Amino acid sequence: GEDVEQSLFLSVREGDSSVINCTYTDSSSTYLYWYKQEPGAGLQLLTYIFSNMDMKQDQRLTVLLNKKDKHLSLRIADTQTGDSAIYFCADTRAGRRALTFGSGTRLQVQP
Amino acid sequence: DTAVSQTPKYLVTQMGNDKSIKCEQNLGHDTMYWYKQDSKKFLKIMFSYNNKELIINETVPNRFSPKSPDKAHLNLHINSLELGDSAVYFCASSQDRGRETQYFGPGTRLLVL
Repeated sequence: GEDVEQSLFLSVREGDSSVINCTYTDSSSTYLYWYKQEPGAGLQLLTYIFSNMDMKQDQRLTVLLNKKDKHLSLRIADTQTGDSAIYFCADTRAGRRALTFGSGTRLQVQP
Repeated sequence: DTAVSQTPKYLVTQMGNDKSIKCEQNLGHDTMYWYKQDSKKFLKIMFSYNNKELIINETVPNRFSPKSPDKAHLNLHINSLELGDSAVYFCASSQDRGRETQYFGPGTRLLVL
């Protein structure tokens, strides 16, 4: 995605925390999302955050949003091998329903 | 009880053929989408329909034509297939209530030979 950027790869050990980062450029972003894609599978919605929030926690997942820096992160606590997948951040913007996706971060969890 | 379904899951065809991909959602959503994921995993919007009306039409060749017979269905017809059309095509849907959380189908893997 040309307006949403992510690092391409992250490797962690099982049990550690993973932090996947995303930056976006459009200040009209309304909602920001994290999707998970396992090999050969579709896109699974993990969580989302509204642009006027700073943080959202959902079980092992913590989303942090720094609106000033246009930076979004996803922290996965106690990462498991089943968390190995590609993680996409995406946003929606005022007046535009479609999602703009980042390029995806491939998370590899080593036993 | 599948929320967003697509058929077929896999599609292998020759260059120049015409093919269709079907999508159905049983979530009662108003808006449906087609996204294309290329070999590098980049995902881009192609089309969006709201209540059977085309609302997003990105820069996509005219060979691609979406059709929405009703709110629950959005099909994608592709004429004169080219090698570069090989990709995974995802259908998605959302409710038109401001929070545009989109739910995706499993994808259709198209390979053009």
